[in-house]
Amino acid sequence: IAGITQAPTSQILAAGRRMTLRCTQDMRHNAMYWYRQDLGLGLRLIHYSNTAGTTGKGEVPDGYSVSRANTDDFPLTLASAVPSQTSVYFCASSDSAASTDTQYFGPGTRLTVL
Amino acid sequence: GQNIDQPTEMTATEGAIVQINCTYQTSGFNGLFWYQQHAGEAPTFLSYNVLDGLEEKGRFSSFLSRSKGYSYLLLKELQMKDSASYLCAVMDSNYQLIWGAGTKLIIKP
Repeated sequence: IAGITQAPTSQILAAGRRMTLRCTQDMRHNAMYWYRQDLGLGLRLIHYSNTAGTTGKGEVPDGYSVSRANTDDFPLTLASAVPSQTSVYFCASSDSAASTDTQYFGPGTRLTVL
Repeated sequence: GQNIDQPTEMTATEGAIVQINCTYQTSGFNGLFWYQQHAGEAPTFLSYNVLDGLEEKGRFSSFLSRSKGYSYLLLKELQMKDSASYLCAVMDSNYQLIWGAGTKLIIKP
């Protein structure tokens, strides 16, 4: 079934550790996104990529980095995790950027930083 | 600033009708989306409105008034499986989605 996969499903991480959340889509979508979802808040955009080879900062980019080496993969890295990065992280993709195309979401990664 | 407001929680009865409201103030407007999110799962697309009026899709309908900065999602013939959070999101002038915190809908038998 076509879609977006994320790994790991969940993770408990010690503060200060480095962590990469993986995201892969097989829909050949050009645009990809990383969001975090916290209780009582709407989804907040961390980083996005309009096409392979390009990335951009969203609303809450500090402490996170991304890369987009190819169309399918869009990993999110926490260089040195802090407790405030405890959240549920969703990767999403859409057919094209700067458009009203629907965004499709992966199943999420639940991250706890202690 | 940009702001999306929707009720935190609503309760309705199986078989009834419920309306979930969303008001917004954003930098530009390129459409409004509604997503459904079951607990512990990913958001899934329900509807998109860019012009004023009502869009009907089966048991679900979505309404938009751009002049009032207002939308609602109408769910008819409620089923237990409709228990979920409903997320309102507006696409701003930069084609970025601004999300509301979501409305948790509880369906009682």
